[in-house]
Amino acid sequence: SAVISQKPSRDICQRGTSLTIQCQVDSQVTMMFWYRQQPGQSLTLIATANQGSEATYESGFVIDKFPISRPNLTFSTLTVSNLSPEDSSIYLCSVVGGQGGLDEQFFGPGTRLTVL
Amino acid sequence: AQRVTQPEKLLSVFKGAPVELKCNYSYSGSPELFWYVQYSRQRLQLLLRHISRESIKGFTADLNKGETSFHLKKPFAQEEDSAMYYCALSGSGGYNKLIFGAGTRLAVHP
Repeated sequence: SAVISQKPSRDICQRGTSLTIQCQVDSQVTMMFWYRQQPGQSLTLIATANQGSEATYESGFVIDKFPISRPNLTFSTLTVSNLSPEDSSIYLCSVVGGQGGLDEQFFGPGTRLTVL
Repeated sequence: AQRVTQPEKLLSVFKGAPVELKCNYSYSGSPELFWYVQYSRQRLQLLLRHISRESIKGFTADLNKGETSFHLKKPFAQEEDSAMYYCALSGSGGYNKLIFGAGTRLAVHP
């Protein structure tokens, strides 16, 4: 299994500022994902981040608002820019790993963002 | 459109009672179906997947392609089963993005 850590675990930010979330994995992985979970909602994929290429964003998410870096196979960052209260959510990163021919998606603990 | 529907936000049962968490999906193709669970103060983790056809912690789920359902069942609920359960699907042909349902909170009372 893959062990994933995220920093910060939570933050409170002012409207108009930005927050960068870090995701660290204990092994090298090709595929990393960033999800958002708005209050009372399910998880929604923001983008897929593969090392060596630009992130692929899902419908409704754009690079200017959610820039992503993937400098190596164990690390990624997600920045949430120009924050508004609607960005208050839990942000999770996940990776694909596994053995025995069965891949599994492992999730980080999440970053709880509150925008005032 | 690709969609996962979990009609119940909350399912409340007594210990020892049977449990069925419903999941229906919409997908053009042959998806892979999963159940993820999140216990209190823990991270989201995989419970089971349809291709494994396994029973985990007494839970089973059968993929019904005719009804496009993947309901999660357990014959006798335990208090430690209380958690948030998410049904999810992934496109076939390798591990792709997951599409999650809204989740069902299972509360098992003593």
